Amino acid sequence: SAVISQKPSRDICQRGTSLTIQCQVDSQVTMMFWYRQQPGQSLTLIATANQGSEATYESGFVIDKFPISRPNLTFSTLTVSNMSPEDSSIYLCSVEYMSNEQFFGPGTRLTVL
Amino acid sequence: GNSVTQMEGPVTLSEEAFLTINCTYTATGYPSLFWYVQYPGEGLQLLLKATKADDKGSNKGFEATYRKETTSFHLEKGSVQVSDSAVYFCALSDGAAGNKLTFGGGTRVLVKP
Repeated sequence: SAVISQKPSRDICQRGTSLTIQCQVDSQVTMMFWYRQQPGQSLTLIATANQGSEATYESGFVIDKFPISRPNLTFSTLTVSNMSPEDSSIYLCSVEYMSNEQFFGPGTRLTVL
Repeated sequence: GNSVTQMEGPVTLSEEAFLTINCTYTATGYPSLFWYVQYPGEGLQLLLKATKADDKGSNKGFEATYRKETTSFHLEKGSVQVSDSAVYFCALSDGAAGNKLTFGGGTRVLVKP
């Protein structure tokens, strides 16, 4: 399986600010995804991070709020922009490694005050 | 669209009891099915998977069988341990949708000694 790291592991931010979350994989992968897990809830896909092109966003998520970069096959960033308390969640990246299995990073726990 | 429905928790059991977590799905194609587990304070881990009808996934004493006729993928374990206390997520991946995962709401399981 792939080894996935995320930075930061947690942060407390003020409303109106932005936070960029990094996801690093120890091997080249084609598919990378960003999910959100709101407190006590399940996981919801935000977008698919495409290498060399714009991310593909799910319904309800927009690029202005969640800009994503994917400069190469091992790295991606998700920015949570103009944050409000409703953005308090765990943000997880995942990669599809082989045999359509997805492996998840440890997550970034974000609290917005 | 795709959806996954799983029984709500929490499920509280005594050690060595039998565990069943029901999961049913709706999908337009022929999805792959997964169970993920989230132990307290940890990230999401793939527990088992099945990629076609009648496949049985198994791992760590857990089993689930892909039942196309009932669109179900129920998770079972014959004798649970305290260490099985976690939140369990059923999920599907539809290749036609780019292999992104659709998750159920999660079921919290608490095993008491």
